[in-house]
Amino acid sequence: GAVVSQHPSWVICKSGTSVKIECRSLDFQATTMFWYRQFPKQSLMLMATSNEGSKATYEQGVEKDKFLINHASLTLSTLTVTSAHPEDSSFYICSARDPVSWRGKLIEQFFGPGTRLTVL
Amino acid sequence: EDKVVQSPLSLVVHEGDTVTLNCSYEVTNFRSLLWYKQEKKAPTFLFMLTSSGIEKKSGRLSSILDKKELFSILNITATQTGDSAVYLCAVEDMGAQKLVFGQGTRLTINP
Repeated sequence: GAVVSQHPSWVICKSGTSVKIECRSLDFQATTMFWYRQFPKQSLMLMATSNEGSKATYEQGVEKDKFLINHASLTLSTLTVTSAHPEDSSFYICSARDPVSWRGKLIEQFFGPGTRLTVL
Repeated sequence: EDKVVQSPLSLVVHEGDTVTLNCSYEVTNFRSLLWYKQEKKAPTFLFMLTSSGIEKKSGRLSSILDKKELFSILNITATQTGDSAVYLCAVEDMGAQKLVFGQGTRLTINP
């Protein structure tokens, strides 16, 4: 299957600072990437859908000015958590897909390994 | 609003047992239902189901979808300790092209 990487895998920062997380599709072009957040013992919650070359679509309740998403190329999307606070501490996961069906089959989203953010 | 409900939320069994995990859903424009296994990091893909009644199988794992009753089951036979994980069910909405996840089932296999 296709490979999606995330960087960094974990980050600790002070309250009030900004943190950037990168999501890369390594062997395919991802016209669409998704950003999820997962709190301990909870499921994945979609934060936003990122389409290459256009503005991200945010889910209800997600502050777009706090979670800045940039999808400038077909292989890279970034999520910047601005002015991070302890309540932003979570596991952030991206996924990527090419919405064009491949060999006539629907293809699934491919998940990155996740980034664990701890805000002190 | 799209909704996915998994049951049970938690399950503890002994090695060798067979388990069945349930997933029911409500979605406006169904495209597919997916099962994932999550251990310590991001989910790993297990199955994608799009048609009713066709069983997907991979080793000791199998899954089937019922689009009339809006549910899916994931079966694991002859469980092993390595099967311990959270199993996530997700439904894809064709219009929104996004995945809606259930709460997950935390499966623990005791030796």
